Amino acid sequence: DAGVIQSPRHEVTEMGQEVTLRCKPISGHNSLFWYRQTMMRGLELLIYFNNNVPIDDSGMPEDRFSAKMPNASFSTLKIQPSEPRDSAVYFCASSLNSLLEKLFFGSGTQLSVL
Amino acid sequence: DAKTTQPPSMDCAEGRAANLPCNHSTISGNEYVYWYRQIHSQGPQYIIHGLKNNETNEMASLIITEDRKSSTLILPHATLRDTAVYYCIVSFNTNAGKSTFGDGTTLTVKP
Repeated sequence: DAGVIQSPRHEVTEMGQEVTLRCKPISGHNSLFWYRQTMMRGLELLIYFNNNVPIDDSGMPEDRFSAKMPNASFSTLKIQPSEPRDSAVYFCASSLNSLLEKLFFGSGTQLSVL
Repeated sequence: DAKTTQPPSMDCAEGRAANLPCNHSTISGNEYVYWYRQIHSQGPQYIIHGLKNNETNEMASLIITEDRKSSTLILPHATLRDTAVYYCIVSFNTNAGKSTFGDGTTLTVKP
């Protein structure tokens, strides 16, 4: 298995632009998680899905952030409009039945908002 | 979930055992102890978990004290590739959506 695949690997954009991060979970995994990692705040859970349905989005910082999972093999995290404070590494992870011991992370997207 | 306390950083000589401590004094009876690690520029990776008994797998050993208030992750023969941030996580229902990664311990393995 190729593991969790995220794209792009790096994204540089200007303040105010829309940013879309993409994730393909491991085949057979029914849970998908979006995390954000910064030096100041560490690794934070933004939102997670079970069976393509959002379960908990309490970690989404504000309305500028939205996430979708239209099918079992694809998810997006969108930031519109982006701000410099959104600069971070965004990780996608997938799991079988949300089990912590079955959680696999992608390589992350390094986002820089100028 | 119970709060965990880990030292911010530790060093270990290559080839020696690395013993990473974690304090979770408020852990409840149904909470598991998990360990993850994050190598630079990669996503976190699962290492091991346990409830009460000591556990061992191909990566590491987990020693949980009898009162379950602390645990130690042991890497028996540390290599340079084990340099990473190690996270100790206490989770009530093993649900990744309800589990929190703390600040972790930065382990540096030196030649």
